[in-house]
Amino acid sequence: EDKVVQSPLSLVVHEGDTVTLNCSYEVTNFRSLLWYKQEKKAPTFLFMLTSSGIEKKSGRLSSILDKKELFSILNITATQTGDSAVYLCAAPPGNNRKLIWGLGTSLAVNP
Amino acid sequence: EAGVTQFPSHSVIEKGQTVTLRCDPISGHDNLYWYRRVMGKEIKFLLHFVKESKQDESGMPNNRFLAERTGGTYSTLKVQPAELEDSGVYFCASSLAGAGPLHFGNGTRLTVT
Repeated sequence: EDKVVQSPLSLVVHEGDTVTLNCSYEVTNFRSLLWYKQEKKAPTFLFMLTSSGIEKKSGRLSSILDKKELFSILNITATQTGDSAVYLCAAPPGNNRKLIWGLGTSLAVNP
Repeated sequence: EAGVTQFPSHSVIEKGQTVTLRCDPISGHDNLYWYRRVMGKEIKFLLHFVKESKQDESGMPNNRFLAERTGGTYSTLKVQPAELEDSGVYFCASSLAGAGPLHFGNGTRLTVT
């Protein structure tokens, strides 16, 4: 059965800390992995990763994929209170457009 | 550009009643998806429209759920009759053709009492 597992489920840090969120996957005919941020309502797109070892970066956020070990990490440096959210990882099996989701990591950044 | 909009934002109904959720995708997005998150569980796929056609409805829980997208614009998801286990947040998402990222609406929180 296809599955995506995220860890940790919850994380509390102080402003300025660096965090690493993990996402492992077992997905049939894997092609891509996506990261989303969900603050209050709608998940918003962060990154889509398709190639192993190539880091994607957006400001203080970065992500990388390891297709050999079947995982991805999302790094956030110099965290701010505005980074507090649930970070979701998802992958579509094969050419299918439906996404298999992890439970998410709930990140709380305290001032 | 207006985002994906969903209505209502919250609905509370009694078991056995009917509820209809609506989703307006981003204009021009042919692909429309319905997902559901039950408390404590992962977001689960329900179905996928390409324009007005159901491309994949393998995630629909049972025949109490009916999704439509007449004219290929907005979509409705009707639950009839609602059961307690239907409670959750129903998300709609849309995307352009191809493998682009999904754009989500704020979701409809459905509570069945």
